[in-house]
Amino acid sequence: AQKITQTQPGMFVQEKEAVTLDCTYDTSDPSYGLFWYKQPSSGEMIFLIYQGSYDQQNATEGRYSLNFQKARKSANLVISASQLGDSAMYFCAMRETLNTGNQFYFGTGTSLTVIP
Amino acid sequence: NAGVTQTPKFQVLKTGQSMTLQCAQDMNHNSMYWYRQDPGMGLRLIYYSASEGTTDKGEVPNGYNVSRLNKREFSLRLESAAPSQTSVYFCASSAGTGLAKNIQYFGAGTRLSVL
Repeated sequence: AQKITQTQPGMFVQEKEAVTLDCTYDTSDPSYGLFWYKQPSSGEMIFLIYQGSYDQQNATEGRYSLNFQKARKSANLVISASQLGDSAMYFCAMRETLNTGNQFYFGTGTSLTVIP
Repeated sequence: NAGVTQTPKFQVLKTGQSMTLQCAQDMNHNSMYWYRQDPGMGLRLIYYSASEGTTDKGEVPNGYNVSRLNKREFSLRLESAAPSQTSVYFCASSAGTGLAKNIQYFGAGTRLSVL
């Protein structure tokens, strides 16, 4: 089974609108972490936001928030007030620590295009 | 403010050749990682080093070796390159695998083509 699933290969959003990028995960580790990264066309990976499995509140970082639904194993990224510079690939990732030690898994990504 | 530095940025190899990808970080991080990124597959962990002197396999370690030379440097070696190893390679570092909020910071990547 896939550890991280991102079902939206591509998304479009109007400038200044909000957009939700979906992410579901699969783990039996009770202590895991969830991350979102942005990859612009230039190629670098930029950390956006983190959610720990024991965190009671949804994480927020400026215009980014993470809609964490633990029972559903989903960790959707919400970008509010989209800007043209938000056009990029977005990757959801998970850290788990099982018998094999720390492992990180990334999803296949969602390409976001912000339309003026 | 260099962060994570990878060299080279681009490389073309012939099948069977060997090469080493270099990675250095200046953030005094304990943990370092090597990933590969293939089209449509996201990033996959090759090897990681939780701390100086230790290395562990990730999801796709076959065909690679690593060396944690010191706290700053973590190299990835391809002993006999194969076309299947054509990919973009990313190095990353984080404060420590023992931390819950183990944020990784990435280098700019190395684009490798094996002919």
